[in-house]
Amino acid sequence: AQSVTQLGSHVSVSEGALVLLRCNYSSSVPPYLFWYVQYPNQGLQLLLKYTTGATLVKGINGFEAEFKKSETSFHLTKPSAHMSDAAEYFCAVTYTSGTYKYIFGTGTRLKVLA
Amino acid sequence: EAQVTQNPRYLITVTGKKLTVTCSQNMNHEYMSWYRQDPGLGLRQIYYSMNVEVTDKGDVPEGYKVSRKEKRNFPLILESPSPNQTSLYFCASSPLVVAGGPTDTQYFGPGTRLTVL
Repeated sequence: AQSVTQLGSHVSVSEGALVLLRCNYSSSVPPYLFWYVQYPNQGLQLLLKYTTGATLVKGINGFEAEFKKSETSFHLTKPSAHMSDAAEYFCAVTYTSGTYKYIFGTGTRLKVLA
Repeated sequence: EAQVTQNPRYLITVTGKKLTVTCSQNMNHEYMSWYRQDPGLGLRQIYYSMNVEVTDKGDVPEGYKVSRKEKRNFPLILESPSPNQTSLYFCASSPLVVAGGPTDTQYFGPGTRLTVL
C-alpha cells in the first residue's frame, strides 16, 4: 500500500543547530513529494516540493530536501534552526498514476530550544 | 486574494443532527479535498474531487458525504454525526500538474473545529 512514514513525532534542537526531519515513502510509481508546515492554530502551507528534475529542492525559510529514490526518502533539513521554526511539519506524497489520493504523514513537531 | 474559505470555523453539535461544512475556492482549481486532523494521526483524506461531478473516497470516508456541483464549491456533509467525528477539518484545493494528471501543491482553508456531543 502507498504510505508515508515520518520518524519521530517530536524533535528538539537547539537554536542554531541543524534541523533534520525524516520522511520515507512507499510507492511503485514515481511520486511527487511535499513538505508542509503548520504553525499553531493555523492551516498548512507549502515549504517545498519535488515533482521532477533536480533531486535537491530548496524551499522557503532556508529549508531544503533531497529526493533519494534508492532510499525512498525525502528528508527535510535546515542548517541552522531559528526559534520561529517551531511548528509541526508534514511530509506528503501523491502519485503520477494509479490514484489521485494525497497522503500525509503523521507529522513531526519541532521544538527549538534557546 | 486567492484563498480557500470554510464555514463555519467552529461548530458544536449533538449526535445525529445533520450538518454541512462549506468550502469554496477562487483559484479555479480542478482538485479539491477534505481532510481531518487528529493528534498523532496527521491529516487523513476523507474525500477528493478531480473536477465537477467527479469525486472519490480517500482513506477515511465512512460517515461523510460530498458533492461537487460547481467547480469552486465542495461541501462536506455529515448526515448523522457521531462523537468519533469530533476533529479539526481542513478543505484544500490544488491545480493538476497536467490535465488529468497528478495533483500539485494543496492550498488549505483555515480549518473547522467540530465537536460532536
